[in-house]
Amino acid sequence: QQKVQQSPESLSVPEGGMASLNCTSSDRNFQYFWWYRQHSGEGPKALMSIFSDGDKKEGRFTAHLNKASLHVSLHIRDSQPSDSALYFCAASEQDMGYKLTFGTGTSLLVDP
Amino acid sequence: GPKVLQIPSHQIIDMGQMVTLNCDPVSNHLYFYWYKQILGQQMEFLVNFYNGKVMEKSKLFKDQFSVERPDGSYFTLKIQPTALEDSAVYFCASSRGQDTQYFGPGTRLLVL
Repeated sequence: QQKVQQSPESLSVPEGGMASLNCTSSDRNFQYFWWYRQHSGEGPKALMSIFSDGDKKEGRFTAHLNKASLHVSLHIRDSQPSDSALYFCAASEQDMGYKLTFGTGTSLLVDP
Repeated sequence: GPKVLQIPSHQIIDMGQMVTLNCDPVSNHLYFYWYKQILGQQMEFLVNFYNGKVMEKSKLFKDQFSVERPDGSYFTLKIQPTALEDSAVYFCASSRGQDTQYFGPGTRLLVL
């Protein structure tokens, strides 16, 4: 069983629309969460981190964390065609290794 | 933003040969990582490295794998001998600590 599950597997939104991505963990040891975006042929790039319960907003991107339910979400406002990419949720435990456990990924397509 | 470089971008080798993947991490980062991604799917942790030592390795980090960073030069992943199932994209990442990991563009390895 995957420790970090994402939904939906793929998502299509119109340009200017709102994209909502979800991530659920099965491991209560995860304390720190990131959203990464990966365009085809490139490495993942960090969009934002979230470590505390509640919302965190950076530009068009808003992340929400609920540690009690082990749920993280990412909302992209005013989606642009350049937002079309693979989005990963990643989590790490509070240990000395800092390894990231990645989610299963959501493929986002923004239709111009 | 901070850049991680990886050399080569592509490598094709015959099964059983040795391959070395090179990573130039962000200059003031102290923690280094290798991840493996197959067919644009889930990213999986291989190993992390700090202060000249492996801190943690996953079950994907087989006995044929080794990492080192001699005298502050490239952080390397060596596979000897290679197997068909080693074909994948290998990403290097670095971080200062329990904060955002920055990823390189990846090395696409094909084992024939």
